[in-house]
Amino acid sequence: GAGVSQSPRYKVAKRGQDVALRCDPISGHVSLFWYQQALGQGPEFLTYFQNEAQLDKSGLPSDRFFAERPEGSVSTLKIQRTQQEDSAVYLCASSSPKQGKTQYFGPGTRLLVL
Amino acid sequence: GIQVEQSPPDLILQEGANSTLRCNFSDSVNNLQWFHQNPWGQLINLFYIPSGTKQNGRLSATTVATERYSLLYISSSQTTDSGVYFCAVELVDNFNKFYFGSGTKLNVKP
Repeated sequence: GAGVSQSPRYKVAKRGQDVALRCDPISGHVSLFWYQQALGQGPEFLTYFQNEAQLDKSGLPSDRFFAERPEGSVSTLKIQRTQQEDSAVYLCASSSPKQGKTQYFGPGTRLLVL
Repeated sequence: GIQVEQSPPDLILQEGANSTLRCNFSDSVNNLQWFHQNPWGQLINLFYIPSGTKQNGRLSATTVATERYSLLYISSSQTTDSGVYFCAVELVDNFNKFYFGSGTKLNVKP
């Protein structure tokens, strides 16, 4: 079946602009994760959903970052008043208890804040 | 917080060579996964291996949870193996929050 998809693949924003990044997980996957990956680094955990419930948001770097998954499927990561330090690749992953906790990643959204 | 250390940070191999990548972690873990990030940025899950040994073709992995390390073996390397290899761990007392190491960047030359 289809894998995890993310859109847009690339986003250029002016400092102070709001952005919204979308993640479509694999159908039926109850768990959804967002990560931030800076250049040359490993992904860093941002937040975790189980269905529509956001169970862990401890990795969100500031209150400018907000994530939602209102119907337990598609998720949106929103960044308000973007700053240059927000420039990174934002990765989404999903998993299912039927497959252990194997995480399947999307291609990422590369965000550049000018 | 937990430390996840990968070694070596960089590795250059001639095609056909074997290699071992290491992941050390500082706390007890519930889950450990190995990933390959290709040059286009796509992360592919290689192994879900909280303990024991698994093999998949030319790749195999071993996790010794009691000693807090995992090894990824690549045999008969191919140029398509190039990219960055990450391990990621989930703590026993903090489910569903995964910590990634900084990766091993592998370059396989023809």
